[in-house]
Amino acid sequence: GAGVSQSPRYKVAKRGQDVALRCDPISGHVSLFWYQQALGQGPEFLTYFQNEAQLDKSGLPSDRFFAERPEGSVSTLKIQRTQQEDSAVYLCASSPRQGSYYNEQFFGPGTRLTVL
Amino acid sequence: SQQGEEDPQALSIQEGENATMNCSYKTSINNLQWYRQNSGRGLVHLILIRSNEREKHSGRLRVTLDTSKKSSSLLITASRAADTASYFCATVRTGGGADGLTFGKGTHLIIQP
Repeated sequence: GAGVSQSPRYKVAKRGQDVALRCDPISGHVSLFWYQQALGQGPEFLTYFQNEAQLDKSGLPSDRFFAERPEGSVSTLKIQRTQQEDSAVYLCASSPRQGSYYNEQFFGPGTRLTVL
Repeated sequence: SQQGEEDPQALSIQEGENATMNCSYKTSINNLQWYRQNSGRGLVHLILIRSNEREKHSGRLRVTLDTSKKSSSLLITASRAADTASYFCATVRTGGGADGLTFGKGTHLIIQP
């Protein structure tokens, strides 16, 4: 499997629960991105890692959202005390080099989160 | 927040016709990329055009970029049923170390067989 994988593909949570979403980027890719896509909208940037360093977290909507990539490969996006407005598809993308000037991003299939 | 807007929001054409989608953006950019998303799937990169380029081709795709008007267009020639998907433009802002893509709202393209 050479692509970006995400798990779980679908997650249903009750309001107030914590969730953890996993992303396995393409092996060797330096850059990793998380996006949130609401129904009928384009993806919105959440956060960016270069190896294990989180260089940009300006898109995280609140302090309930936390992301990590401790060894510079797999990343986890955690949402604490989920709210209904957190319902969306969460997309992970990776890129072989740092920066986006010349680089396309390779996207995973996403995790569809539904908060009841 | 969304960087720009795709136009039209939805487009339905007959197989074999050409499809043109437009994108406008607001800030200075390093490059502009087009992505395709099939229903329920992740995004697939189609083409990247740098800010110093004006036109680029890839197979049946033709992209133009006008930085003075802050706009881009994607042309798909000789459309096929398999081209049915949502198409998004995405930009990379200049400076600031910010490398995340900023997407538009997308054009939903339907190719009628």
